[in-house]
Amino acid sequence: GAVVSQHPSRVICKSGTSVKIECRSLDFQATTMFWYRQFPKKSLMLMATSNEGSKATYEQGVEKDKFLINHASLTLSTLTVTSAHPEDSSFYICSARPRLTGELFFGEGSRLTVL
Amino acid sequence: AQKVTQAQTEISVVEKEDVTLDCVYETRDTTYYLFWYKQPPSGELVFLIRRNSFDEQNEISGRYSWNFQKSTSSFNFTITASQVVDSAVYFCALSENNQGGKLIFGQGTELSVKP
Repeated sequence: GAVVSQHPSRVICKSGTSVKIECRSLDFQATTMFWYRQFPKKSLMLMATSNEGSKATYEQGVEKDKFLINHASLTLSTLTVTSAHPEDSSFYICSARPRLTGELFFGEGSRLTVL
Repeated sequence: AQKVTQAQTEISVVEKEDVTLDCVYETRDTTYYLFWYKQPPSGELVFLIRRNSFDEQNEISGRYSWNFQKSTSSFNFTITASQVVDSAVYFCALSENNQGGKLIFGQGTELSVKP
């Protein structure tokens, strides 16, 4: 079946640094990818919709300058958390949708800890 | 506006008991999709089922079954003869047809199955 891979699965960084998380569709082309954030013991909240070749669409309340999303190819979207702070510590999950079907596939998630 | 409500925050059962996880949704769309995902302690989201709004037939897959009732806007999930490995957080989610596939998640229900 379709596979979506995220890297890194875990990352620890110092406050003030930037961290990049990759989301790859391994065996299909994804025109659309979605980035979610999950706080401990909480639900998943959609952060943004990433469309290949165009700007991401951010949900209300999500700072686009802090969470930079790039979808430069049909198999890769990246989320960069800029100038990370401890409150950015969270579990980030991406999902991808193949071009021809409506199925959604989720990555394994990336756990970010900002010290 | 779309919304998914999982009123049960935590459920604890003893192995071999049956358990039903409730999900109530709100949408103005006539075409939409409902999902259930399992999130074990490792964090990844495991897809369980997708159901479109035109298919109200109940589904059974092994020990899992789903009851979709449009009249009450509910999509409940039952695990029969629960096992310890079923312990996880379960999310119900909604995707409206005109939203390009992005999911609105419920708050999640943490199921604990004790031996």
